[in-house]
Parts: sequence; structure tokens; C-alpha cells
Amino acid sequence: GNSVTQMEGPVTLSEEAFLTINCTYTATGYPSLFWYVQYPGEGLQLLLKATKADDKGSNKGFEATYRKETTSFHLEKGSVQVSDSAVYFCALILDTGRRALTFGSGTRLQVQP
Amino acid sequence: GAGVSQSPRYKVAKRGQDVALRCDPISGHVSLFWYQQALGQGPEFLTYFQNEAQLDKSGLPSDRFFAERPEGSVSTLKIQRTQQEDSAVYLCASSLAQENTEAFFGQGTRLTVV
Repeated sequence: GNSVTQMEGPVTLSEEAFLTINCTYTATGYPSLFWYVQYPGEGLQLLLKATKADDKGSNKGFEATYRKETTSFHLEKGSVQVSDSAVYFCALILDTGRRALTFGSGTRLQVQP
Repeated sequence: GAGVSQSPRYKVAKRGQDVALRCDPISGHVSLFWYQQALGQGPEFLTYFQNEAQLDKSGLPSDRFFAERPEGSVSTLKIQRTQQEDSAVYLCASSLAQENTEAFFGQGTRLTVV
């Protein structure tokens, strides 16, 4: 079946540190890949996406590259801010069949000043 | 409205009670999804509507769960005879169309069954 595995949290970093949150996937077919973010008290928001191999999604200083050879979509940011503290979810959608998102279990990021 | 709205935000139900959770999607959005999110987990798919048609209900965990979207806009997720394992956050999402368009999520309804 289809699944998404992401690193367990919490990840605790100091402000301006480099961030990597690992995400790998298993899918039948050719998925589109997403990172969603959930800030405290808010709903899930799309952070970035990539629809095919070697695509790079980017937004708000975050980046992730769709790596088909390693079935990965790791999230990176060069310099985190306190305001980046949130829960980050990696997810996929297949290009055929069920059109719903399959999510990882989420990674909580805590950025300390 | 400006975003996906869900009500109530919080619901406490006694075991065995029926509950109804409401979702108001973004106006004009064709696709509507319900997800269940257990504590510390990612959301899991429950059911999907395209307009008023329920095209996929394979994620509903039991026949106690029922969803409808009679006029292709507002949707209701109903849980009959609630059990403690139904305690979770129920998320609704809508998108403009089916094909890989961005899904916008509501803030969810946190259901606690006591």
C-alpha cells in the first residue's frame, strides 16, 4: 500500500540553525508530494509541493526536492525562526485512483530564541 | 466564506451518543474530504465527495460512520453510538477540483468520547 514515513520529533533547534526533516514514501504509481504545516491553533496549510521527479518545491525559505531514486522528499530550511515552530506533515497523492492525501505522522519543530 | 469552516470546534459526547459534525467548504469547491486525526498522528482519509456524490467512503472505520453532502456544499459527518476509540480530531478539506489542486483544511472538530 501507500505510506509516508517521516522522522519522529520533537526537533528542537536554536534560531538561525539549519533544518532537515526527513520524509520517505512508498507508493504504487507516480505520486505528487506535499509538505503541510500546522501552526498552533490553526488548520493544516500547504507549505510546498512537487508533482514529478527532480522537481523542487519551495516556499517561505523552505525547500524539498522530489527524489524518485531514494523515494524521498526531505524538507530543508537554511535558517529557522521562532515563528517556524509548528508540526510538519509530509504527504502524497497518487495520480490515479483515490485522490485523498496520505500523510506521515508529523514532526514537531520547536525553535528556541 | 474565506476558508473552510467546521463546527463545533469541540465536542464532548457520552459513549453511545450520536454526534454530527459540520463542514462548510470554500464556496465553489467541488471536492470535499473528511479525515480523522488521532492524537500524535497524521490525518487519515475517511471519505470523499465530488459535488453531492460520495465517490469514496473506503476510509470510514465502521458502519457507525456516515457522511453526506446533499446539495454539493455543506457536508455533515455523523457518528452513531460513539465509542471511546472515536475520540480524535475530525478534519474537513475542500479543493477547487479533483486533479492535484491544493486542498484547504478547516481547523477541525475535536471529539472526545467519555
